[in-house]
Amino acid sequence: DQQVKQNSPSLSVQEGRISILNCDYTNSMFDYFLWYKKYPAEGPTFLISISSIKDKNEDGRFTVFLNKSAKHLSLHIVPSQPGDSAVYFCAARKSGYALNFGKGTSLLVTP
Amino acid sequence: DVKVTQSSRYLVKRTGEKVFLECVQDMDHENMFWYRQDPGLGLRLIYFSYDVKMKEKGDIPEGYSVSREKKERFSLILESASTNQTSMYLCASSPRWNEQFFGPGTRLTVL
Repeated sequence: DQQVKQNSPSLSVQEGRISILNCDYTNSMFDYFLWYKKYPAEGPTFLISISSIKDKNEDGRFTVFLNKSAKHLSLHIVPSQPGDSAVYFCAARKSGYALNFGKGTSLLVTP
Repeated sequence: DVKVTQSSRYLVKRTGEKVFLECVQDMDHENMFWYRQDPGLGLRLIYFSYDVKMKEKGDIPEGYSVSREKKERFSLILESASTNQTSMYLCASSPRWNEQFFGPGTRLTVL
């Protein structure tokens, strides 16, 4: 039973524009949310996270928004760069438990 | 910097062979995890460990076992490899239940 869902398997965006990656979750007990980025043949790397007590967290070009009532979070990348092309995984956890990952969204940033 | 290393980047084994995948982390993290990544299925948790000699089943433990004799080392064992275990295997570690740090992955092919 998939508790974290990324409904868009892929996304294509032009360089310089905004990329918006979406994630939905079903478990209201989740209290911490993360985004990971993965290049082919490499392990995922942590990108940004947000606690359930916040609705926004920003780190440079990356911003994560959390809407708890809708059980939805999104990752915004502004401006998008070709080096951002990768698979992005959304993850969520409740305290004391392992992370639950979504299936990933493949982002392609075109020049 | 946290470093998680995996014993092999690429591995080819035959059906029925016993396979050992080794993972070592150098940051004294309590928790360690094994995932497999398959196209369209995202990251699926096989097993995790929150302490030496402790292990918990993840979402897909069938056909796998694990060993954690020392804090820094977490091994994944395929008792009798099968072709449906061809996959990318990712090890991760984390301090408590915070963000996980991943190794580079092992691409296992079972013929």
